[in-house]
Amino acid sequence: ETGVTQTPRHLVMGMTNKKSLKCEQHLGHNAMYWYKQSAKKPLELMFVYNFKEQTENNSVPSRFSPECPNSSHLFLHLHTLQPEDSALYLCASSPDRGQGDEKLFFGSGTQLSVL
Amino acid sequence: QQQVKQSPQSLIVQKGGISIINCAYENTAFDYFPWYQQFPGKGPALLIAIRPDVSEKKEGRFTISFNKSAKQFSLHIMDSQPGDSATYFCAAINSGGYNKLIFGAGTRLAVHP
Repeated sequence: ETGVTQTPRHLVMGMTNKKSLKCEQHLGHNAMYWYKQSAKKPLELMFVYNFKEQTENNSVPSRFSPECPNSSHLFLHLHTLQPEDSALYLCASSPDRGQGDEKLFFGSGTQLSVL
Repeated sequence: QQQVKQSPQSLIVQKGGISIINCAYENTAFDYFPWYQQFPGKGPALLIAIRPDVSEKKEGRFTISFNKSAKQFSLHIMDSQPGDSATYFCAAINSGGYNKLIFGAGTRLAVHP
């Protein structure tokens, strides 16, 4: 495996479900990110972890809960989502957040549909 | 101040033509301007980037033109091919610290044979 891998690729969930998105990077990077991509809108940065510590939370609702057990793995736990949360969720990594976000490598994303 | 405005939203070009996508910014502290290419079912991937000390950067058929005084930059795809059909995002950042990339809203390019 190389690069940034996300699972599952597609997820359909009801508003009362609890699910998790998984991201794994094989690049030896120390920073990991969650982005939300909605149609015709700029990518929205949600969370950033640098050396396993959360360094950014862009006012994301508490129904989204990130977890970063080590520099290679990142999770996004979902519960009580709303239909407007339907989007493509992208994971990314970079060598070190302290050096800036210039070298972002993205995974293929999880397409989430909330019914 | 933190926005990057991208146009057009969508673009149709004939094979062999030139595709042009434009972006504008306000924050003069931005000093790194990348373009990302995203194919359906894939994440964005860095295509080409420029710093404001040069006015143009070319890599193969892809060229970034940068106008510092106008605070605008554009992507030109020469001899556009059907395989170039993708969504293109411009972005900007004040690099070298805990600053985030600011993305444009994207341009969906379709190159017809």
